[in-house]
Amino acid sequence: ILNVEQSPQSLHVQEGDSTNFTCSFPSSNFYALHWYRWETAKSPEALFVMTLNGDEKKKGRISATLNTKEGYSYLYIKGSQPEDSATYLCAFGSGNTGKLIFGQGTTLQVKP
Amino acid sequence: EPEVTQTPSHQVTQMGQEVILRCVPISNHLYFYWYRQILGQKVEFLVSFYNNEISEKSEIFDDQFSVERPDGSNFTLKIRSTKLEDSAMYFCASIVIGTRGSGYTFGSGTRLTVV
Repeated sequence: ILNVEQSPQSLHVQEGDSTNFTCSFPSSNFYALHWYRWETAKSPEALFVMTLNGDEKKKGRISATLNTKEGYSYLYIKGSQPEDSATYLCAFGSGNTGKLIFGQGTTLQVKP
Repeated sequence: EPEVTQTPSHQVTQMGQEVILRCVPISNHLYFYWYRQILGQKVEFLVSFYNNEISEKSEIFDDQFSVERPDGSNFTLKIRSTKLEDSAMYFCASIVIGTRGSGYTFGSGTRLTVV
């Protein structure tokens, strides 16, 4: 059974702090790794789709790295803002049907 | 920006009743999915749908569940006889191509409460 784990489960930081979270996934049969941002009462929003070992992607103050050989990805947020408060989900992508296997998410709370 | 639309946003139903959850995926997307999240648990895959047929389903997706795309735009999930444990947030998602593309577009979900 494929398992995706995220840590920490929750994080409270002050505005301006930089932070990072981890996603661990199976290192065999890797196809794609997705990151989503999910605010309460809204739909999950795609941040990154990563496919190559060593990939680094950036979107504003948010960036992500990928290590497929050891099965982990990091998401970094530089200079956190209150609007960054959300749950961040990573998901391991299956090549056959596009099925995603999700981690449990990291919930970030940024205090002004 | 195109959106995936789900209705209703919240449904309360009696145990044993049938429910139909509706989704309108993005028009040029080819792959469609249903996921659910039981409160406090991970988002879990239910079913994928491509070319008008199920391409994969999970163990959760038993005979009580069915999907169809009746008119080329709507994508529905039917639960024939709901159980208490079916209470969850159900998400529809669609994507143009496989998971190496731009990521899913998710709907905002239907919260199903079975009483």
